[in-house]
Amino acid sequence: KQEVTQIPAALSVPEGENLVLNCSFTDSAIYNLQWFRQDPGKGLTSLLLIQSSQREQTSGRLNASLDKSSGRSTLYIAASQPGDSATYLCAVRDNQGGKLIFGQGTELSVKP
Amino acid sequence: AAGVIQSPRHLIKEKRETATLKCYPIPRHDTVYWYQQGPGQDPQFLISFYEKMQSDKGSIPDRFSAQQFSDYHSELNMSSLELGDSALYFCASSLYKRDGHYNEQFFGPGTRLTVL
Repeated sequence: KQEVTQIPAALSVPEGENLVLNCSFTDSAIYNLQWFRQDPGKGLTSLLLIQSSQREQTSGRLNASLDKSSGRSTLYIAASQPGDSATYLCAVRDNQGGKLIFGQGTELSVKP
Repeated sequence: AAGVIQSPRHLIKEKRETATLKCYPIPRHDTVYWYQQGPGQDPQFLISFYEKMQSDKGSIPDRFSAQQFSDYHSELNMSSLELGDSALYFCASSLYKRDGHYNEQFFGPGTRLTVL
């Protein structure tokens, strides 16, 4: 059974700092991996999608990497801003049926 | 760009009542997924539909049922509601497969269900 773990559970950094969020999964047979942002009580905003054949994806200040063989993904946020404060979730796409299996998320707080 | 629409956004019900949640996928998307997110929890997959047929089933209680209609919108029907059903219910849609790749899922804003 696929399990997704995110470390750390919470992170507080000063504005302007570069940071890395970690995601690990137990079964490397995935189709793709998505990173999401969730503001409190709100919906999920898709940030980046990495296909299993890809190593990384970039969007603005965000860069996500995928090492399928070791079951790891990282989300790098450059020059963090207070507006980046949110919970970041990674999810792997199941290889049977296509459902997403989520990690517990990392709650990020960027202090001005 | 059009996004996934969910209605209602908020719903308050009493125990043992029924509830119907609606989802309107992004135009031309052929797959719909339902997820449940309890307080402080990560989203858990409930059920999915591809081209109006159930494609996968997760930890969905027998009290819940869902379907996808000819216009691709989907409804999640919940009966005999329990306090533990209070959660945020998300619908996501995607275009099942293109160019050999499975596509990203786009999530709606969710329906917050409170059972009293």
